[in-house]
Amino acid sequence: EPEVTQTPSHQVTQMGQEVILRCVPISNHLYFYWYRQILGQKVEFLVSFYNNEISEKSEIFDDQFSVERPDGSNFTLKIRSTKLEDSAMYFCASSDRRDRGPSFYNEQFFGPGTRLTVL
Amino acid sequence: DAKTTQPPSMDCAEGRAANLPCNHSTISGNEYVYWYRQIHSQGPQYIIHGLKNNETNEMASLIITEDRKSSTLILPHATLRDTAVYYCIVGSARQLTFGSGTQLTVLP
Repeated sequence: EPEVTQTPSHQVTQMGQEVILRCVPISNHLYFYWYRQILGQKVEFLVSFYNNEISEKSEIFDDQFSVERPDGSNFTLKIRSTKLEDSAMYFCASSDRRDRGPSFYNEQFFGPGTRLTVL
Repeated sequence: DAKTTQPPSMDCAEGRAANLPCNHSTISGNEYVYWYRQIHSQGPQYIIHGLKNNETNEMASLIITEDRKSSTLILPHATLRDTAVYYCIVGSARQLTFGSGTQLTVLP
């Protein structure tokens, strides 16, 4: 069964350093997402990406964050200058498009996550 | 903020049906109800979704009330591996807003 993969599983970095988290979405999917979950807290939406551009982003997704689909398979999240509060589990997800009747719906498939620890 | 209300925790005996309720009284006409679960800090896993009609798949059944203000996720024969946090989500399909969910513990 196809699945979303993420690398690395755990990333440790020093405050102020840049990190790139990588994801390989399911191959025929068109929509890509990043979420994060700080330890013990809720899963929070960061950004969605479709047709090579950001379609939605949350307040968390500020100028320190960027996303890219550098080739036909990878989807990356870059944090330019990490802060202590960026320590979290970062989940990538992907989905196909479904239209049925008046509404758009989809099922998002999540990867296993990358645990980012900022020291 | 999440547009749903769920009990924080529930227990269920192994082999029995688990019925997880969710209130979504402010749901709008075209919004779907989605259910996901998260097993111990793994990535959330899609379970099922519905609009108006009851839905069933290989994992679960979803019962949506006629006024669409609440729903119930049913796991027909819960196993120990179903122990997880279950999230009921209403709203944008592109931007899932997770609440605190219901911690379901399946007891042997």
